[in-house]
Amino acid sequence: QKEVEQDPGPLSVPEGAIVSLNCTYSNSAFQYFMWYRQYSRKGPELLMYTYSSGNKEDGRFTAQVDKSSKYISLFIRDSQPSDSATYLCAMAHNDYKLSFGAGTTVTVRA
Amino acid sequence: SAVISQKPSRDICQRGTSLTIQCQVDSQVTMMFWYRQQPGQSLTLIATANQGSEATYESGFVIDKFPISRPNLTFSTLTVSNMSPEDSSIYLCSVGGGGTDTQYFGPGTRLTVL
Repeated sequence: QKEVEQDPGPLSVPEGAIVSLNCTYSNSAFQYFMWYRQYSRKGPELLMYTYSSGNKEDGRFTAQVDKSSKYISLFIRDSQPSDSATYLCAMAHNDYKLSFGAGTTVTVRA
Repeated sequence: SAVISQKPSRDICQRGTSLTIQCQVDSQVTMMFWYRQQPGQSLTLIATANQGSEATYESGFVIDKFPISRPNLTFSTLTVSNMSPEDSSIYLCSVGGGGTDTQYFGPGTRLTVL
């Protein structure tokens, strides 16, 4: 079993839809949770960072963490074609080593 | 966040040769990391490079295959040695976010081994 499971998709939605992305994890020692966005042929770009259960909002993006269920989510509201990318969840405990999900490829259709 | 550059951005190499990838950061950072991203796969940590000490390699990665240098707080290199087609991948460096567990990534080096 992988430490971090993420549905690779692909996911295709119409412009303006809500995109919902999820990851589950097995290591209860993970304390820090991140979402990265990776455009084709680019390096991952940090989108959201959180370390506590609950919701964190940043513009159209909401990150949700449920440590009791070992489940994290990213929601993108009012999706735009520019949101088309691969989204990677990542997690860490105290040693700075990130464990990544497989990434979900999202296409937002104009 | 730090601005990170990598050279080369891409290369095509013959099997049995070696390639050195450079990573330059615009500010001093304590921790630098090297990752591999194979086609259609997620990122796998190769090693952690701290200035003034030997790199720490993850399981499945060895120094003879992936020697790393970290001569100062803004620069690191990763060499992929004695390459085979299985080494075809994107190699990414990242730096620690400073006091948190976030990391910021460079643009990557796309390597193809024939």
